[in-house]
Amino acid sequence: GAVVSQHPSRVICKSGTSVKIECRSLDFQATTMFWYRQFPKKSLMLMATSNEGSKATYEQGVEKDKFLINHASLTLSTLTVTSAHPEDSSFYICSAMGAATVTEAFFGQGTRLTVV
Amino acid sequence: GQNIDQPTEMTATEGAIVQINCTYQTSGFNGLFWYQQHAGEAPTFLSYNVLDGLEEKGRFSSFLSRSKGYSYLLLKELQMKDSASYLCAVMDSNYQLIWGAGTKLIIKP
Repeated sequence: GAVVSQHPSRVICKSGTSVKIECRSLDFQATTMFWYRQFPKKSLMLMATSNEGSKATYEQGVEKDKFLINHASLTLSTLTVTSAHPEDSSFYICSAMGAATVTEAFFGQGTRLTVV
Repeated sequence: GQNIDQPTEMTATEGAIVQINCTYQTSGFNGLFWYQQHAGEAPTFLSYNVLDGLEEKGRFSSFLSRSKGYSYLLLKELQMKDSASYLCAVMDSNYQLIWGAGTKLIIKP
């Protein structure tokens, strides 16, 4: 099946710094990528949807200036958490969908972000 | 509004059968997905239903009734490794996934 690679899997950063998370589709063109956040024992919360070459569409309540999403190519999307705070500590997951794979969203491995 | 309901937690015995239900109300329907998620890991795809009926895949089966807004995931011959959360998600008319809160399945020996 299709593969989505997310990097890094774990990151610890200091408050006030920025962290970039990469999501790559390895063997298909991801026309749409989704970024999710998951709190402990909770379901996935969609943060934003990005289409290649367009600005991301953010869900209500998600600060677009804090969570910068770039989808510059059909195989790469990045999420940058700017000026991170401890409350941003969470599990972030990307998923990718291509024109030929609309019946399945392929997930990255997830990134565990800890802000200290 | 859009809503996906599934039980919070279920317990079953190793070797038995368990059915996890999911009901939904969404803006449009382009398919229903079931995912398995082990703690600390990303979800993995189990099944996709877009037409009414039962889809069987090994020990796992998924059923859909669009008229009732209802689906279930059936797990047979339960194994300890099946202990996980099972997420129901519906793709709406905008091709976005609407997620249920997940059902934590506990398997006992």
